[in-house]
Amino acid sequence: SQKIEQNSEALNIQEGKTATLTCNYTNYSPAYLQWYRQDPGRGPVFLLLIRENEKEKRKERLKVTFDTTLKQSLFHITASQPADSATYLCALAPSGAGSYQLTFGKGTKLSVIP
Amino acid sequence: DGGITQSPKYLFRKEGQNVTLSCEQNLNHDAMYWYRQDPGQGLRLIYYSQIVNDFQKGDIAEGYSVSREKKESFPLTVTSAQKNPTAFYLCASRDRGWLAGDPGELFFGEGSRLTVL
Repeated sequence: SQKIEQNSEALNIQEGKTATLTCNYTNYSPAYLQWYRQDPGRGPVFLLLIRENEKEKRKERLKVTFDTTLKQSLFHITASQPADSATYLCALAPSGAGSYQLTFGKGTKLSVIP
Repeated sequence: DGGITQSPKYLFRKEGQNVTLSCEQNLNHDAMYWYRQDPGQGLRLIYYSQIVNDFQKGDIAEGYSVSREKKESFPLTVTSAQKNPTAFYLCASRDRGWLAGDPGELFFGEGSRLTVL
């Protein structure tokens, strides 16, 4: 069965460091992958999208990589700030008719310590 | 401001009661979705609708029902047949561009937290 794993439930890092979150998948051939941020008691907010033929995407302090050989995406936040503390979700979708449905990982809760 | 509005934010239900969660969007999106989120779980798809008067079951549709009579509205009813309804419910919408292969992002509401007493 299809499976998405985000490396850990929680990640604590020091302010100013780079946070790296991992999303691994098995039995899946996604056409694209998305990352969302979710604050407690709120709905997720879209951050970045990367397609299967793209290796890397950047947006301000955020960087996403996508390695279809390793079946893995890495999500980096550089110069992390306490305001970056949140749960980060990865979501994958196949191409074609199934692209309506995003499959979400369980999320990684990031805490940036001042 | 364009967005998705879910109501109520908090809802309490007695066992055996049906409850309806509201979802309204003014983004002019064709597709709308309902997800359920439990602690330690990813978002799981309940129902989705690609166009007015049409909707499809997701992975966990049992015990739920929806309607899509207007483009802007996609209410979810949690019926008494849902055995474990206590959860955080999220409504989302997306532009129809995904049908043409443009993935597009999901826009989420703020969620409704349902608790069964």
